[in-house]
Amino acid sequence: EVQLVQSGAEVKKPGESLKISCKGSGYSFTSYWIGWVRQMPGKGLEWMGIIYPGDSDTRYSPSFQGQVTISADKSISTAYLQWSSLKASDTAMYYCVRRYGGTQGCDYWGQGTLVTVSS
Amino acid sequence: NFMLTQPHSVSESPGKTVTISCTGSSGSIASNYVQWYQQRPGSAPTTVIYEDNQRPSGVPDRFSGSIDSSSNSASLTISGLKTEDEADYYCQSYDSSTWVFGGGTKLTVL
Repeated sequence: EVQLVQSGAEVKKPGESLKISCKGSGYSFTSYWIGWVRQMPGKGLEWMGIIYPGDSDTRYSPSFQGQVTISADKSISTAYLQWSSLKASDTAMYYCVRRYGGTQGCDYWGQGTLVTVSS
Repeated sequence: NFMLTQPHSVSESPGKTVTISCTGSSGSIASNYVQWYQQRPGSAPTTVIYEDNQRPSGVPDRFSGSIDSSSNSASLTISGLKTEDEADYYCQSYDSSTWVFGGGTKLTVL
């Protein structure tokens, strides 16, 4: 069974750094792209970027380029999303997703990680 | 920038059929596949349609997707509505190396 299991909720202060994780199981982790999707409170879905764990090829949405870093450790089948300096506006739910084959879309979603940034 | 526009909300009665539209702002929506995601309240999204009209295993055949090139739009049709179908639905496609989501449609089954 394919699963994407994300790390738990985080509460941080503005200016702090953060790295959240997404562990894939039930499939060949290095053979599928893993993406990240943001959902701000009460809002819709926004694509942030995507990584191919096999060779760490990474693409970012122009809206998020330079704001976050996406990485992966294929030895432990885990993808990451990190911030070097959080802002209150980063408060959101973050989902990791598995890209479906050659389609520019996803088939599996993680359960989400809620990030709250507040002073 | 390419955008996908969905109605903010739709409502229908149990047992009926509802169609949610997703209109592309430019170009041809048929140039890239469209996916549809369901998000029930308080839950993560799940995929109900991929590659325009394909259903993942476990998704009932009450859900179907289609493309209408003449109106540059995609549609999600849900037949035999059940109260459990009440959720937000998002369409998604691809343009200029970016995944693009529609703004979402809240389906109320009353």
